[in-house]
Amino acid sequence: GAVVSQHPSRVICKSGTSVKIECRSLDFQATTMFWYRQFPKQSLMLMATSNEGSKATYEQGVEKDKFLINHASLTLSTLTVTSAHPEDSSFYICSASPSGGGEQYFGPGTRLTVT
Amino acid sequence: GENVEQHPSTLSVQEGDSAVIKCTYSDSASNYFPWYKQELGKRPQLIIDIRSNVGEKKDQRIAVTLNKTAKHFSLHITETQPEDSAVYFCAAPDSSYKLIFGSGTRLLVRP
Repeated sequence: GAVVSQHPSRVICKSGTSVKIECRSLDFQATTMFWYRQFPKQSLMLMATSNEGSKATYEQGVEKDKFLINHASLTLSTLTVTSAHPEDSSFYICSASPSGGGEQYFGPGTRLTVT
Repeated sequence: GENVEQHPSTLSVQEGDSAVIKCTYSDSASNYFPWYKQELGKRPQLIIDIRSNVGEKKDQRIAVTLNKTAKHFSLHITETQPEDSAVYFCAAPDSSYKLIFGSGTRLLVRP
């Protein structure tokens, strides 16, 4: 149980374009999902908390107009990187919490490369 | 807010030896402490967690201990195997259930 999928696993896009990443909880409902960014050899940096039916909560320094988050249902959250630039290239990982009690299960991640 | 510190940053052990990774946290209200294992290019996987009402939890070769007074918790891996080689992250929640992650420990188990 507690399986989270993420799509696509890898994407290459040109500078200035937008990219949408989907995160799905497959066998549980997730009121809350989280979006992280991870640079090579570094820890997970929380970008935003996605709540079903309400606006996402962004961490300090994360541009909400650049990283659009939509939590359309209890099993789906999407992250759209708008007007991507090379510095947005990174490993983006989502997670979902089945109970709100702390435990989070991670998706497989999306490696974004902006050329 | 919560602050989590993790040590050591790298750890190299001989196969069969034990490995210990330590984390400290700052928010005394934190009540859930997970450990994640991340292999290169893959997702973090929850390997063990502990809640604040217990001091120790074991799962085969893995154990976690919690000292609430000192605000630190540790991951213990016994009889290490090469497949244990990975990056390990500890975490603790802040007041809004967000997990704050430690900086990670790169464990290398030498055959």
